[in-house]
Amino acid sequence: DAGVTQSPTHLIKTRGQQVTLRCSPKSGHDTVSWYQQALGQGPQFIFQYYEEEERQRGNFPDRFSGHQFPNYSSELNVNALLLGDSALYLCASSPGALAGDAGTGELFFGEGSRLTVL
Amino acid sequence: AQSVTQLDSQVPVFEEAPVELRCNYSSSVSVYLFWYVQYPNQGLQLLLKYLSGSTLVESINGFEAEFNKSQTSFHLRKPSVHISDTAEYFCAVSRKGSGNTGKLIFGQGTTLQVKP
Repeated sequence: DAGVTQSPTHLIKTRGQQVTLRCSPKSGHDTVSWYQQALGQGPQFIFQYYEEEERQRGNFPDRFSGHQFPNYSSELNVNALLLGDSALYLCASSPGALAGDAGTGELFFGEGSRLTVL
Repeated sequence: AQSVTQLDSQVPVFEEAPVELRCNYSSSVSVYLFWYVQYPNQGLQLLLKYLSGSTLVESINGFEAEFNKSQTSFHLRKPSVHISDTAEYFCAVSRKGSGNTGKLIFGQGTTLQVKP
């Protein structure tokens, strides 16, 4: 049973560029959340996708956008990159409504995509 | 809104010694509580969780945490640590009863450094 997989694992971009990060949730999970973890900090919630719609959003600007596909995989897009966007981006999945186990907040995390903006 | 404070950024300890990593939270509503562990260059893994019932919860590798509602704390303890426990530990909360939230509020993390 594959866990949460993310790609790419590492990437380097320059200021002003755009980046797309990808995530496949754990088998049986239909809800995907994205987190940003800056160096030495705890993860910060960006947004969550369920049924191909953004359900909740943290305190991040509109430069951060996402998408969820019918197979529950998800993408995180960041436009007009800033130096401060350099971080580890974590994808997390949860079983949600399909498994009848909604609401506990337990998440399964991927290993992350480390973005460096120069 | 919820917030989480981990009171120690780094905790150095010798192997086989006991350890406590402290976590306090603030919330106007009931919450679920979690400890996650992050080994170097890896994602986060759930260590243990408190959802309801007994306030003392245990993990399979010897860690335990106790939910103290009056002190709004969820400290993590282990009676005897191993070198392999060296990692970053994150305390987190999520709002109870809110459906598919997926929204965890994390503390800043505590680096546990186990020395031989």
